[in-house]
Amino acid sequence: DTEVTQTPKHLVMGMTNKKSLKCEQHMGHRAMYWYKQKAKKPPELMFVYSYEKLSINESVPSRFSPECPNSSLLNLHLHALQPEDSALYLCASSRGGVANLGNEQFFGPGTRLTVL
Amino acid sequence: KQEVTQIPAALSVPEGENLVLNCSFTDSAIYNLQWFRQDPGKGLTSLLLIQSSQREQTSGRLNASLDKSSGRSTLYIAASQPGDSATYLCAFNAGNMLTFGGGTRLMVKP
Repeated sequence: DTEVTQTPKHLVMGMTNKKSLKCEQHMGHRAMYWYKQKAKKPPELMFVYSYEKLSINESVPSRFSPECPNSSLLNLHLHALQPEDSALYLCASSRGGVANLGNEQFFGPGTRLTVL
Repeated sequence: KQEVTQIPAALSVPEGENLVLNCSFTDSAIYNLQWFRQDPGKGLTSLLLIQSSQREQTSGRLNASLDKSSGRSTLYIAASQPGDSATYLCAFNAGNMLTFGGGTRLMVKP
């Protein structure tokens, strides 16, 4: 299995809702990432997990809460989002942890989030 | 802060042309540079990865080069096809963080 999967593909939520995005990989990768991509812009890093521990948080608002329950799974919990949080949320993984520098990152298809 | 720039921002060519996409970066402390393809509303597909010790990588009709001293990478696409139409992103890896360029939107016309 050489792919990163993300669910759901699309999500529409109100500003008072709580929802979660899910990412899964079975390549034995030990680093997993969340990126946010606004329309016609490049992806921007949000979080990095290395060996199931949060190693990088790019000053992301607390309404986004990441979780890594095991080495194959990465979640992003969403609460009290704003309309400007509407974007494509991309998950990626790479072999080794953050100490293994320069590894290729593999991306999932993304979740298209719309906040009303 | 690392800056990654891609030129041109958009490119439209007739089918069959050879073309070059450019990527420049400001920090020479690079581990690798990755080229991606993104179709509208989709995720990123990794095309080529060039390690800092390499000068170029080839995959099919694609060839990517890296010149650390000048802070540049190019993606060469030979004999372009309509199916190559997409946004192409380069990403600089200085550790385990990717910094992306703004992308080049490529349209190959039949």
